[in-house]
Amino acid sequence: QVTLKESGPVLVKPTETFTLTCTVSGFSLKNARMGVTWVRQPPGKALEWIAHILSNEEKSFSTSLKNRLTISRDTSKSQVVLTMANVDPVDTATYYCARTQIYCSGPSCYPFAFDIWGQGTVVTVSS
Amino acid sequence: QTVVTQEPSLTVSPGGTVTLTCASSTGAVTSDHNPNWFQQKPGQAPRALIYSTYNKHSWTPARFSGSLLGGKAALTLSGVQPEDEADYYCLLYYGGAQGVFGGGTKLTVL
Repeated sequence: QVTLKESGPVLVKPTETFTLTCTVSGFSLKNARMGVTWVRQPPGKALEWIAHILSNEEKSFSTSLKNRLTISRDTSKSQVVLTMANVDPVDTATYYCARTQIYCSGPSCYPFAFDIWGQGTVVTVSS
Repeated sequence: QTVVTQEPSLTVSPGGTVTLTCASSTGAVTSDHNPNWFQQKPGQAPRALIYSTYNKHSWTPARFSGSLLGGKAALTLSGVQPEDEADYYCLLYYGGAQGVFGGGTKLTVL
């Protein structure tokens, strides 16, 4: 059974940095056809695509957030880690990770589908 | 900045048919955008329904179908059930790698 579980801080102060961890099971982060994407949803608002990391370690970031984000993976722990710096109250949201199916052509890989989502973790940015 | 636009809300009667659309500010949506569709009910994580325009996941009910329609991605629900009342989001990929979600459609079954 494929599962993803997000974990991280519940409350963060403005200007601080927080780290979220997505722990996966039922599949390997080294699987050539898989990646993990982070998505967030502010309260009462729409989903927002944030970033992904693919099996070949290619990374992509939201244009509006890329200067504040890093993403990495630890295959030995089956974890993908997202770090967001210099946070603001507008970053208050439920953060989800989702397994992402990819295809590769030559050295590059491309996502084409989300299938399994985690339950999400709520992060509140407030002083 | 790229904007993906969906109808804010739609209403359909039980047993009816409804089509939700997903437009791109950059022009016509094509299969290269790999349109994905998701359903989200209150208090729940999103659930994947459709990928790469029209492909269904193993758990996607047969009444859901995806297509390209008039330069947009489309999700059609045929024979709508009360449990289909939810928010629906489309996702498009740009440059093969960067994703952008639409603003979501709130579907009411009434």
